[in-house]
Amino acid sequence: QTVVTQEPSLTVSPGGTVTLTCASSTGAVTSGYYPNWFQQKPGQAPRSLIYSTSNKHSWTPARFSGSLLGGKAALTLSGVQPEDEAEYYCLLYYGGARVFGGGTKLTVL
Amino acid sequence: QVQLVESGGGVVQPGRSLRLSCAASGFSFSTYGMHWVRQAPGTGLEWVAVIWYDGTNKNYADFVKGRFTISRDNSKNTLYLQMNSLRAEDTAVYYCVRDNYYGSGSPDYWGQGTLVTVSS
Repeated sequence: QTVVTQEPSLTVSPGGTVTLTCASSTGAVTSGYYPNWFQQKPGQAPRSLIYSTSNKHSWTPARFSGSLLGGKAALTLSGVQPEDEAEYYCLLYYGGARVFGGGTKLTVL
Repeated sequence: QVQLVESGGGVVQPGRSLRLSCAASGFSFSTYGMHWVRQAPGTGLEWVAVIWYDGTNKNYADFVKGRFTISRDNSKNTLYLQMNSLRAEDTAVYYCVRDNYYGSGSPDYWGQGTLVTVSS
């Protein structure tokens, strides 16, 4: 069974920079896993942020960026805003099926 | 604008069946793949299934294979999820999500979800 692992929680100060990562139990994450990132705030549906490693949707704020880092997918928030406090999920592609990571709770403090 | 509206959720007994629907509007439904994603109360997101734009290809998460069936009616701009042999662990909010390609792409637009509760 494939497992996708994220940091359970991270804390960042307003205006700071933070990087969330996403690892696969099958080995290094490459562009062929088409990493996606989603944001979810309490009581709301998720919102798509990043697709295919680093591509932004038209509504994605510029301070969000995606990359590959040390065999993992990464989401970097630069100049964090209080409204960025949320749960963040990654999604990896496994030849048709997809698997979500367990999520990272980001606290802005 | 893209709109996805799920319906069909409710309370169902273990072992019974339920069919979810998702009415799509604001885009050319027949040219996009579609996903179902679920979220059990207080937990994370789980990808459930995807169907290609024309219904020819379908993929499922291992935990629903053989029990759930994804389908679509492009003439009605509607996506479905037939859920059989329901278990307590299937209790979740089920989201309908558009794929940004034919079905091999990435989720982009999300519905607001419909709650399914499996309980006796």
